[in-house]
Amino acid sequence: DAGVTQSPTHLIKTRGQQVTLRCSPKSGHDTVSWYQQALGQGPQFIFQYYEEEERQRGNFPDRFSGHQFPNYSSELNVNALLLGDSALYLCASSPGLAGGSRRYEQYFGPGTRLTVT
Amino acid sequence: ILNVEQSPQSLHVQEGDSTNFTCSFPSSNFYALHWYRWETAKSPEALFVMTLNGDEKKKGRISATLNTKEGYSYLYIKGSQPEDSATYLCAFQTSYDKVIFGPGTSLSVIP
Repeated sequence: DAGVTQSPTHLIKTRGQQVTLRCSPKSGHDTVSWYQQALGQGPQFIFQYYEEEERQRGNFPDRFSGHQFPNYSSELNVNALLLGDSALYLCASSPGLAGGSRRYEQYFGPGTRLTVT
Repeated sequence: ILNVEQSPQSLHVQEGDSTNFTCSFPSSNFYALHWYRWETAKSPEALFVMTLNGDEKKKGRISATLNTKEGYSYLYIKGSQPEDSATYLCAFQTSYDKVIFGPGTSLSVIP
């Protein structure tokens, strides 16, 4: 079991550009959440995907969008990048309702470090 | 705005010392409380998920308690070891869909 994987590991973009980050959930997990972690802060919830739909969203502008594919993998897209978007982006998967008593558990990937210059 | 607080922000202890951290969260709309350990250059690792008031969980030298009525959870580490050095995050889950993290407590265990 490869666990949660994310790509790329690191990324450098210029202000105004667009970026796509990718996440493959742990085997058997159908729910994917995305977080932004800025230096010195805890991870901030961006949104969660289940059954290919955005189910819940944090306080992030519409420049942040996502997608979930039928195989449960997910993408995070950020348009019109700002310097303040520089952060570590974490993806977490969970087993969802099928997980029974373990449905609350989240497993994190290693993250993608995005630098906007 | 829902806020999760953790204290202390950072902690330096000697090897063998026992230590504890606090996580404070809103006492309403509680669904679950998570604790994670996050070592540098690794993924956050789930330690505990607690859902019921009065829950106590234990994993080796690490244990946690939960008080949902007053909105706090304690994480205890007995006999700290250098490999325990990490950032410890707590996260408050308001519903199945949303998890709110605290800023973390950074622990350094000095050999």
